[in-house]
Parts: sequence; C-alpha cells; structure tokens
Amino acid sequence: EIVLTQSPGTLSLSPGERATLSCRASQSVSSSYLAWYQQKPGQAPRLLIYGASSRATGIPDRFSGSGSGTDFTLTISRLEPEDFAVYYCQQGNTFGQGTKLEIK
Amino acid sequence: EVQLVESGGGLIQPGGSLRLSCAASGFTVSSNYMSWVRQAPGKGLEWVSVIYSGGSTYYADSVKGRFTISRDNSKNTLYLQMNSLRAEDTAVYYCAREAGRSGWYWGWFDPWGQGTLVTVSS
Repeated sequence: EIVLTQSPGTLSLSPGERATLSCRASQSVSSSYLAWYQQKPGQAPRLLIYGASSRATGIPDRFSGSGSGTDFTLTISRLEPEDFAVYYCQQGNTFGQGTKLEIK
Repeated sequence: EVQLVESGGGLIQPGGSLRLSCAASGFTVSSNYMSWVRQAPGKGLEWVSVIYSGGSTYYADSVKGRFTISRDNSKNTLYLQMNSLRAEDTAVYYCAREAGRSGWYWGWFDPWGQGTLVTVSS
C-alpha cells in the first residue's frame, strides 16, 4: 500500500507570499492519478488539482501542481487570505496527512 | 448542479448501528463510482468504502465486516450501513463521487457532500 507523506506539517506565510507544499509517495505513482484538495474549517474538502497538474473547475490559476514519480508539489503563487486552510494530496484510496497553511 | 447531501449521523452507543444516506442530484449515482470518506475530529481523511457502477464493493480493513455500502437507484441515493460501532468510528462521514478512474487506477473525488457527524459514545 502506498503511503503519502506531506511536508511541512505546518507552513506559516503572509498574504502575497508564495507557498510550496510537498507530497512524497512511498513508491512511484502515476502522475495521472495524483490529486490535491483544500479543506477549510467546518467544510468538506474541495478538489483543487487532479492528474498532478490539471486545475479543477473554478480553481484560480494561482494554484498549480507539478511532479512525477514519487515527488509532487502544490504551489500557490501569491497567497490570498482565503487560501489559508489544510491541504491534502491523494492517490488511490490513500490520503496524505495534510499540510496546514496558516497566516504568519 | 451536481450535489451530494448526507444525512443520518448522530450520537450512538458503542455496539450500535446507524445508516447514513447520501442523496445525489445532477448526476446518476449508479453510473458512477461512489465512496465514503471519514475524518475523525482534528485528524486527516480516511477512505472507508467504495461501490462501483457495476455494483462491486470494497472496504477499508478498519471497517470490513461491520460496514456495508449500497445504493438505491430509484432514489439516486448512496448508503452506508454501520454496525458494531466503536469509539474509533467517531468521525464526520463524507460521500464523494470518484472521477477519472481508469481500470484499477483510482481517480479523484469530486464533488463531496457536506458531511454528517457520527459520534460513538456511551
């Protein structure tokens, strides 16, 4: 079974800064099936990125995904106040443990 | 609009049973792969179960033998029957549609319902 490890656990940044979130798989995975979600307190997860780099419908272009093999990255180019949340990667029926993006 | 609405959560004693429902609109449940995903308080996401469009079902080891996923095509609704509940089953339960599946390769989950809270406690 694949294990997804996200880092860092918590990322403290200011609005306007660039955020880089990492998701590392325990074995090589197809990039076609790596997804990222955003979850705000009290809300359901929302699909951001699928196929490692394709933005879901309605997702702003400041969100981008990249990577292949075992290393994947979610980048938020310029943080907006509404971007502070928890982010999860997913492959198959496995989720990473999440990265909390908090306001510095 | 594609939407999922869960119901049926609540407070239940250990060993008890509960059935969750997930009503879909804007698409047909029986034509899609549908999953339940749960989130314990303050924790991450844990996949629980999936039902394929063809009717096959699969479960996480943590719930196998206790939970049953099903659907009612006439009501366009997904269910999760939970028996022999334990304290560690306490979580918000989400239903979600899977997209992008290719053979054995899982896709991604979109959309998600708003979730229903199940609390197992005496």
